[in-house]
Amino acid sequence: DSGVTQTPKHLITATGQRVTLRCSPRSGDLSVYWYQQSLDQGLQFLIQYYNGEERAKGNILERFSAQQFPDLHSELNLSSLELGDSALYFCASSPRDRNRRGDTQYFGPGTRLTVL
Amino acid sequence: AQKITQTQPGMFVQEKEAVTLDCTYDTSDQSYGLFWYKQPSSGEMIFLIYQGSYDEQNATEGRYSLNFQKARKSANLVISASQLGDSAMYFCAMREGRVTGNQFYFGTGTSLTVIP
Repeated sequence: DSGVTQTPKHLITATGQRVTLRCSPRSGDLSVYWYQQSLDQGLQFLIQYYNGEERAKGNILERFSAQQFPDLHSELNLSSLELGDSALYFCASSPRDRNRRGDTQYFGPGTRLTVL
Repeated sequence: AQKITQTQPGMFVQEKEAVTLDCTYDTSDQSYGLFWYKQPSSGEMIFLIYQGSYDEQNATEGRYSLNFQKARKSANLVISASQLGDSAMYFCAMREGRVTGNQFYFGTGTSLTVIP
């Protein structure tokens, strides 16, 4: 158990809908990262938040948005869902902003999103 | 060009033998980090080992070691004394630092099967 929690574990929805994925980082970790893992695209970095502020952006679509709250939990919002958004969405946390030796990213169990 | 290349889609190794999983990377940065993660069939992502670009010695974590050859831009993972529980997907990843924040790239993974 990494200490990172994600809810829900599974989510099934229809095209055009909007969903929210939730992540609670490990206690004391200030950075939260979101990743998408799909069969055709592999594992893609989406976005990073550090202590409530957006820190880095990867391949995140405009239909997707995220935020990190004062209690450091984070939410990833996916809207106007398409079939291709079906994937495993991971959240990871780390203590600080930059990864160094001993300052690694700990991944949550993921949320499996299925868009029908 | 691919940032991270893993050329071995699948590998087999006899239990108790050592195995090397290949990873090459592409960056023009001087400062970067390299990671290996393990993803069992259960889906979670487990951090294995980290190598910083300025680290002079190869990283080691228990049975895992990272063969870092900077000039060749390779960061191969060596697993010694393979165990049945090592059967999983293995991902190589790289962090590049930017003024606008870190960027993370993952390879397509290598599926390792340990044979009894």
